[in-house]
Amino acid sequence: EIVMTQSPATLSVSPGERATLSCRASQSVSSNLAWYQQKPGQAPRLLIYGASTRATGIPARFSGSGSGTEFTLTISSLQSEDFAVYYCQQYNNWPFFGQGTRLEIK
Amino acid sequence: QVQLQESGPGLVKPSETLSLTCAVSGYSISSGYYWGWIRQPPGKGLEWIGSIYHSGSTYYNPSLKSRVTISVDTSKNQFSLKLSSVTAADTAVYYCARHVSYQLLLYYFDYWGQGTLVTVSS
Repeated sequence: EIVMTQSPATLSVSPGERATLSCRASQSVSSNLAWYQQKPGQAPRLLIYGASTRATGIPARFSGSGSGTEFTLTISSLQSEDFAVYYCQQYNNWPFFGQGTRLEIK
Repeated sequence: QVQLQESGPGLVKPSETLSLTCAVSGYSISSGYYWGWIRQPPGKGLEWIGSIYHSGSTYYNPSLKSRVTISVDTSKNQFSLKLSSVTAADTAVYYCARHVSYQLLLYYFDYWGQGTLVTVSS
């Protein structure tokens, strides 16, 4: 089983600043990685797939990078609506998720 | 626009079987894609349960495989989840979602239902 580890567990950033979230796989998943955003009481929303391809309708301030075992989600200039929990999910074999990073207002 | 809606009992007794249905609108299940179930215990992360193709082909999370059955009804454009022998640890919000796949490999989830809370308690 591939284990996905996200860091940090909680990230405090001020609006307008850049946020960088990390996701590490216990073994290579190539570029088979997706990122989701989840707000309280809502279903997750697909942001990124293929490690770096934005899903339909996702603003350009969201970008993904990485391959193999190390991945990053960057939000270039945080808007108020971006404060949420973010999950990575690998799909190199079974579709397993990381434990999430909570992005909170500093 | 693809829409998914979960339905089923919100309370299930321990040792019984949890049953949920996901109704899909805006897209015909028979046209393709896998269709999956994901759950999220209160305050915790996401766990994939399993996914099904319109042909009936299924994939299950190995950790839940012995208790899970997913079925599809293309005539009603819906698919269903059964989880047997439930315990309090199965208390969670259960989501259904469209599961993008390619050449029998399961990829990511692009459309999600709103989720339904199922509590296991006597």
